[in-house]
Amino acid sequence: GAVVSQHPSWVICKSGTSVKIECRSLDFQATTMFWYRQFPKQSLMLMATSNEGSKATYEQGVEKDKFLINHASLTLSTLTVTSAHPEDSSFYICSALRTGSSHQPQHFGDGTRLSIL
Amino acid sequence: DAKTTQPTSMDCAEGRAANLPCNHSTISGNEYVYWYRQIHSQGPQYIIHGLKNNETNEMASLIITEDRKSSTLILPHATLRDTAVYYCIVLGGGADGLTFGKGTHLIIQP
Repeated sequence: GAVVSQHPSWVICKSGTSVKIECRSLDFQATTMFWYRQFPKQSLMLMATSNEGSKATYEQGVEKDKFLINHASLTLSTLTVTSAHPEDSSFYICSALRTGSSHQPQHFGDGTRLSIL
Repeated sequence: DAKTTQPTSMDCAEGRAANLPCNHSTISGNEYVYWYRQIHSQGPQYIIHGLKNNETNEMASLIITEDRKSSTLILPHATLRDTAVYYCIVLGGGADGLTFGKGTHLIIQP
């Protein structure tokens, strides 16, 4: 159990367009999901914490108006990169935390590789 | 959350046990030690976690020193597919995001 599906796996689009990435917990409910970003040859960096039914909490330096997060159900969180530019090209990864659990691991999706031309 | 220190890279022969150390000398009493790995171009994979007792699952064993200031992840019979970056992360309770350091790049040699 504990499978997290992320879609799409990769996307290429023109500068100025918006891109939506979905993160689903397939076999468990997740009150809390997380969004990370990873640039080449670097470690994952936490962007934001997404809680079902409430506003996301963003890490310092992450623009909340650029990276829109919606967590409308216990199994789905979405990240929308608005008006994407080449510097937003990165590997975006989500993780999900099983509802009601403490000291349990986060389970990660396989990531979305975003390339902005 | 406490900071961790890991070697940048390690080599291990296929079929041998891979022992990956992690130093977390500032760990506090309620913080757990988690291990994840990331195979190239994939999302991180959870391996194991523990508080103070040694833990074992189907993937690995986790040995935590009595003073909890360091731990070792053991992959008992490494295979080529275990080549990855391994992250040791210390985390308290609650729903907090993970802070990834540079990890250890483990290379399994045939």
